[in-house]
Amino acid sequence: DGGITQSPKYLFRKEGQNVTLSCEQNLNHDAMYWYRQDPGQGLRLIYYSQIVNDFQKGDIAEGYSVSREKKESFPLTVTSAQKNPTAFYLCASSIGDRDGQFFGPGTRLTVL
Amino acid sequence: EDQVTQSPEALRLQEGESSSLNCSYTVSGLRGLFWYRQDPGKGPEFLFTLYSAGEEKEKERLKATLTKKESFLHITAPKPEDSATYLCAVQALDMRFGAGTRLTVKP
Repeated sequence: DGGITQSPKYLFRKEGQNVTLSCEQNLNHDAMYWYRQDPGQGLRLIYYSQIVNDFQKGDIAEGYSVSREKKESFPLTVTSAQKNPTAFYLCASSIGDRDGQFFGPGTRLTVL
Repeated sequence: EDQVTQSPEALRLQEGESSSLNCSYTVSGLRGLFWYRQDPGKGPEFLFTLYSAGEEKEKERLKATLTKKESFLHITAPKPEDSATYLCAVQALDMRFGAGTRLTVKP
């Protein structure tokens, strides 16, 4: 079955620690995205990548980093510089940037 | 600055009671408008893409329409399983999402 996976589903970390969220897709999509969702707010774009080894910052990239070494994978690192990291993180992929996006199940990160 | 506003924030309907959700936008150079459905604690599910004013798309009880300033998601004779948050997003320079409309359909 084709799809997009994120792991883990729940993640707890201590303040000041970096943490990496996994995102893998087997849809052969070129474009991948990371969003953050907070209660009562729309999804906000963190980073996106339209091709391997290339990515661009979204609206709220500060305190986050990404890599795109393989077409299938787009991991997100939440660094200690992110001031309010507790949130629901969503990864998505699409054929191109004008196509509908397919989302993973999300990772809920809680920083204690 | 690009903006996407969805209304109402929440909508409660009786089963079979048709209604519409609104997504108004202010963007420079619309490249696409997208509708998604999101169930609690899950990732959004893609529903429709609309590219130009006058375009319409349908799927089961849902119909999406687009004008130059807004999009509507019409829900005809909804069922309880249609209860979810419906998200609108616009693609211009980047993708921008609205805050969503939380729909509850009572049996």
